[in-house]
Amino acid sequence: GNSVTQMEGPVTLSEEAFLTINCTYTATGYPSLFWYVQYPGEGLQLLLKATKADDKGSNKGFEATYRKETTSFHLEKGSVQVSDSAVYFCALRGTGNQFYFGTGTSLTVIP
Amino acid sequence: DGGITQSPKYLFRKEGQNVTLSCEQNLNHDAMYWYRQDPGQGLRLIYYSQIVNDFQKGDIAEGYSVSREKKESFPLTVTSAQKNPTAFYLCASSIGRNREETQYFGPGTRLLVL
Repeated sequence: GNSVTQMEGPVTLSEEAFLTINCTYTATGYPSLFWYVQYPGEGLQLLLKATKADDKGSNKGFEATYRKETTSFHLEKGSVQVSDSAVYFCALRGTGNQFYFGTGTSLTVIP
Repeated sequence: DGGITQSPKYLFRKEGQNVTLSCEQNLNHDAMYWYRQDPGQGLRLIYYSQIVNDFQKGDIAEGYSVSREKKESFPLTVTSAQKNPTAFYLCASSIGRNREETQYFGPGTRLLVL
């Protein structure tokens, strides 16, 4: 079946620190992979996506590479800002219409 | 602007009462979804619909009901059978059957029990 395992939080970093949030997946076939961000009291927004192996998704300084050999899609950012404080969700979509989400990782960036 | 609207933003339910959460989209998407989010937890799928007049149960459908009479609307009813309804409810939509397409989310409805 399909599932996503995401790094447990919460994560607290100082401004300008390097961020990695780990995500691994189990899937049948060739899923697409997504990272979403959720700010307090809001819905989720797409941050980036990758639809095939070795693709790199990027947006707002965040990056993630679709690694089929390690079934991973780790999120990275070289220098976080206070405004990046949010909850981050890794997700996959297989051949159907269902999406499978990780449990979310809360990030707090302190000045 | 295209998007998903959810109303109300906050909803209060009394014991034994059914309440309905609204979800409307003008993105012309075929598929729509309802998720429940509890504090510090991920998203759990309640129901989803791939086309009008069709819907499937998700992981936690007990105590909830839905309808899909129009493409743009997918209301969720929280029935009195749902004993612990306090949560943040998120509606989403996506283009059907294209695995490269993302989901778009509404702003959410927070349901509280009086």
